Amino acid sequence: GDSVTQMEGPVTLSEEAFLTINCTYTATGYPSLFWYVQYPGEGLQLLLKATKADDKGSNKGFEATYRKETTSFHLEKGSVQVSDSAVYFCALSEESEKLVFGKGTKLTVNP
Amino acid sequence: DAGITQSPRHKVTETGTPVTLRCHQTENHRYMYWYRQDPGHGLRLIHYSYGVKDTDKGEVSDGYSVSRSKTEDFLLTLESATSSQTSVYFCAISELAGVFEQFFGPGTRLTVL
Repeated sequence: GDSVTQMEGPVTLSEEAFLTINCTYTATGYPSLFWYVQYPGEGLQLLLKATKADDKGSNKGFEATYRKETTSFHLEKGSVQVSDSAVYFCALSEESEKLVFGKGTKLTVNP
Repeated sequence: DAGITQSPRHKVTETGTPVTLRCHQTENHRYMYWYRQDPGHGLRLIHYSYGVKDTDKGEVSDGYSVSRSKTEDFLLTLESATSSQTSVYFCAISELAGVFEQFFGPGTRLTVL
């Protein structure tokens, strides 16, 4: 079945550092891919998405490119801030009614 | 922000007691979902609904039942709570499935002693 694998955390960075969180997926078809973010004490919220190969999703300085050849959707940000500290979830949906989530990666950014 | 509320926000109960969690939306979205979040497991789907009285199981549905008698309300019931059901429960809604965004509620922290 469909699955999502994220790099294990936690990830700790200093402010203004470069961020990469790896995400790879397994799917039988051509899924839509998502990154969700969960700030402390809150529910998840959509950060960005891409619906077809080579699409780039972007929001709040974060980017991720849908790479069909490597089945990947890595999340990147050039300069993280303390306010980016959160848990990040990669997810996919393959023409179904359900999202499949990765296990999440906790990011802590220190000043 | 999408109008989703969950009640209660926190609950402590004892093993063997029934528990009902409520999700209420004001967006008139067709799809509603219940997830549980546990360390090391991420989010796992319990049940979902694709319309009034239309529900289906997710990957961890054992020990849970759901009901949706109105578009705006989706109830999750633990018939006889067990300690393994201690978790944070999230409700989510979506206008349509597939590429459409899911909007999440604030969560309910349930502790079963």
